[in-house]
Amino acid sequence: EAGVAQSPRYKIIEKRQSVAFWCNPISGHATLYWYQQILGQGPKLLIQFQNNGVVDDSQLPKDRFSAERLKGVDSTLKIQPAKLEDSAVYLCASSLGAGSTDTQYFGPGTRLTVL
Amino acid sequence: EDKVVQSPLSLVVHEGDTVTLNCSYEVTNFRSLLWYKQEKKAPTFLFMLTSSGIEKKSGRLSSILDKKELFSILNITATQTGDSAIYLCAVEAPYGGATNKLIFGTGTLLAVQP
Repeated sequence: EAGVAQSPRYKIIEKRQSVAFWCNPISGHATLYWYQQILGQGPKLLIQFQNNGVVDDSQLPKDRFSAERLKGVDSTLKIQPAKLEDSAVYLCASSLGAGSTDTQYFGPGTRLTVL
Repeated sequence: EDKVVQSPLSLVVHEGDTVTLNCSYEVTNFRSLLWYKQEKKAPTFLFMLTSSGIEKKSGRLSSILDKKELFSILNITATQTGDSAIYLCAVEAPYGGATNKLIFGTGTLLAVQP
């Protein structure tokens, strides 16, 4: 079974530039998550989708971050404009559903460096 | 505010040693506690604990939950260099429409020396 795919693996940009990350969840997984993991910290949930609808985006900085999952499969996360403090690993995860027995499977992440 | 605290932050041991990693939590609407192993980037699932006092075991790894004292431990016996990783503890706490929202601790960095 193929895992969660993410691209790019690494991205270096200058502050105030824009960047986009892509995630392809495990086939058949209805729930998709984007996490931000700053160095030395645990992952923090940014947004959770159930199919193509948002169920939680309470910790997404909406003035600069946006995410979509238009067809309920792939998802993109965008930052515009980027700030220095956005440097982190962005992890995508997916699960079959949103119940407590639905294990979240993580992708390899995208390491973003903002200069 | 919900929080998950892990200790120690880092640990260096030699192969063959036994280690105990700690996770305490203060979370509203606790549903379960999960342990993940993070090598390089992607966290991989280890255990999910929902009931107090019932040990989960997988090879040399085991974990137990105490819902009265609000903590969990992860034990690794006969450590190997391949156990070197960050071990993340996460608590599942339903929030609004997010029925399985995870709140992560900062992790424990384990280094196993040959």
